[in-house]
Amino acid sequence: GAVVSQHPSRVICKSGTSVKIECRSLDFQATTMFWYRQFPKQSLMLMATSNEGSKATYEQGVEKDKFLINHASLTLSTLTVTSAHPEDSSFYICSARDFTGANVLTFGAGSRLTVL
Amino acid sequence: SQKIEQNSEALNIQEGKTATLTCNYTNYSPAYLQWYRQDPGRGPVFLLLIRENEKEKRKERLKVTFDTTLKQSLFHITASQPADSATYLCALPTGANNLFFGTGTRLTVIP
Repeated sequence: GAVVSQHPSRVICKSGTSVKIECRSLDFQATTMFWYRQFPKQSLMLMATSNEGSKATYEQGVEKDKFLINHASLTLSTLTVTSAHPEDSSFYICSARDFTGANVLTFGAGSRLTVL
Repeated sequence: SQKIEQNSEALNIQEGKTATLTCNYTNYSPAYLQWYRQDPGRGPVFLLLIRENEKEKRKERLKVTFDTTLKQSLFHITASQPADSATYLCALPTGANNLFFGTGTRLTVIP
């Protein structure tokens, strides 16, 4: 089945630094990937839709200059949290639609970001 | 605005019993509904999709129902096992080909 690989699984950084999270579709091409954020005991909140070869579409309230998304190839999307602050600490999860054509999402394992 | 409610934040059940989880939605007429499983510190994993014209869908010990009149889906796990302990999320499609997730029900199966 479809596999999405996400790296790193955990990252700790100092306030003010930038962190990059990678999301790869391993056995299929994903023209669209989705980035979610999940705070403890809350559900997944869509942050942005990453489109290969074009600009990402951000959800209302998500700062595009803070959360930079690049989808340079059909198998790789990256999320960069710029000038991270403690309130950005969260669980970030990417996903892609599987190759069956149904609107079923395959998720990465997630990245736990802790900003000190 | 669209809203999804999974009306039990947590559910404890004895091993071997049937677990029933509920997903209610409002201001919505989805063409289908999905259920995912999420383990702690992991991304969700797709379990089942049920379309609006389907009353019931089964997969091994899992059964999902979809009542578009009640605007409700029920998710059943029969002969539950401790390994079924996880958070279960229902999800509905949004207009932009994305999915909108409920807050989930944390199921604990007690041996």
